[in-house]
Amino acid sequence: DTEVTQTPKHLVMGMTNKKSLKCEQHMGHRAMYWYKQKAKKPPELMFVYSYEKLSINESVPSRFSPECPNSSLLNLHLHALQPEDSALYLCASSQLAGGPGDEQFFGPGTRLTVL
Amino acid sequence: KQEVTQIPAALSVPEGENLVLNCSFTDSAIYNLQWFRQDPGKGLTSLLLIQSSQREQTSGRLNASLDKSSGRSTLYIAASQPGDSATYLCAVLPFGNEKLTFGTGTRLTIIP
Repeated sequence: DTEVTQTPKHLVMGMTNKKSLKCEQHMGHRAMYWYKQKAKKPPELMFVYSYEKLSINESVPSRFSPECPNSSLLNLHLHALQPEDSALYLCASSQLAGGPGDEQFFGPGTRLTVL
Repeated sequence: KQEVTQIPAALSVPEGENLVLNCSFTDSAIYNLQWFRQDPGKGLTSLLLIQSSQREQTSGRLNASLDKSSGRSTLYIAASQPGDSATYLCAVLPFGNEKLTFGTGTRLTIIP
């Protein structure tokens, strides 16, 4: 099974709301990633978790808060977002974070709209 | 700093033709190069991964090559079909890094 699942598929939230995005994989991968993608642009890395520990934070604003409760699950908690945060949020996983055979598998994404 | 370029940004070809997509990168110190396709509003689908020690990989009608010394990779699609229409992204994983560097993509349209 090479599937990464993400919920919800779509999310609309106000600037004062708190919401969470969820990502799950059952491939036994030990690295998980959050990306943000704007229209007609490549994905931009936000966070990397390796063995359930945060290894990379790409200077993401604190209104985005990642969490990795276990090796299969990755959450992204959202609070006080701005309209410019509207984007497609992608989760990915790989066997390990970095290495010759390290292939990343992506989920279908959550389309986030901030009003 | 690694930079990845994909030219052209958009390409339209008639159904049935063979075609080549290009990817260039500036630093040859990479672990691997990965090709993805992305349909509008969807996630990325991994097509092929080429490790730095490999020259090419094949999957069905797709063949990807890697020339590290010249900083180039190509994705060859044989006998194109309308279902191949999508944006194709290449990404490199630099040595000692956990972060993929993506190209800007080529939007491919196959005309029936």
